[in-house]
Amino acid sequence: QSALTQPRSVSGSPGQSVTISCTGTSSDIGGFNYVSWYQQHPGIAPKLMIYDVTKRPSGVPDRFSGSKSGNTASLTISGLLAEDEADYYCCSFAGSYTFYLFGTGTKVTVL
Amino acid sequence: EVQLVESGGGLVQPGGSLRLSCAASRFTFSSYEMNWVRQAPGKGLEWVSYISSSGSTIRYADSVKGRFTISRDNAKNSLYLQMNSLRAEDTAVYYCAREDEDGYNFDYWGQGTLVTVSS
Repeated sequence: QSALTQPRSVSGSPGQSVTISCTGTSSDIGGFNYVSWYQQHPGIAPKLMIYDVTKRPSGVPDRFSGSKSGNTASLTISGLLAEDEADYYCCSFAGSYTFYLFGTGTKVTVL
Repeated sequence: EVQLVESGGGLVQPGGSLRLSCAASRFTFSSYEMNWVRQAPGKGLEWVSYISSSGSTIRYADSVKGRFTISRDNAKNSLYLQMNSLRAEDTAVYYCAREDEDGYNFDYWGQGTLVTVSS
């Protein structure tokens, strides 16, 4: 049950786009279309940003988008805002034994 | 709006036990699958356990299997996590998290309760 692999940090200037990768295996990301992404500000519970690889919950800005290719999922934040500075975690369903795996987490810094 | 409120955290010695509770409100608790997710200080998120809406299906992460027990009381709109044989590495904020109607993601989270395992 190894965690999914994410870059430790990414950064961008306001208005720019950043993309966070999340790499797993054919037993998790590659095997199911059940990748979700969570935003977490310091000291606050995580917030669902993307689910089922590409879907956005109501209230989440369309600046946030998700995709998947093979064993790697990605979260793209377009038109970066200061409020987007936070930690981001991917999560994938990994079958009826392992169940859920989270990513290692990525800190997004707005320069 | 959906509300999840955890309680029961605290300081416990290694080898000790603790029972966490999660009080749910403003939604039909009995219709939703629930999970526990934890976060060690300064670390990432780790899925801990899952329970189906009826309680008939339960899953655990290998790191807690045999030591933790998840349960729910739909009449009381409550989710529980019984934690036994606690270790220092179980120190974390524990969140209860609801799965949405179609499952496979966590659409609402509680504020978390801190469990510290230390002598």
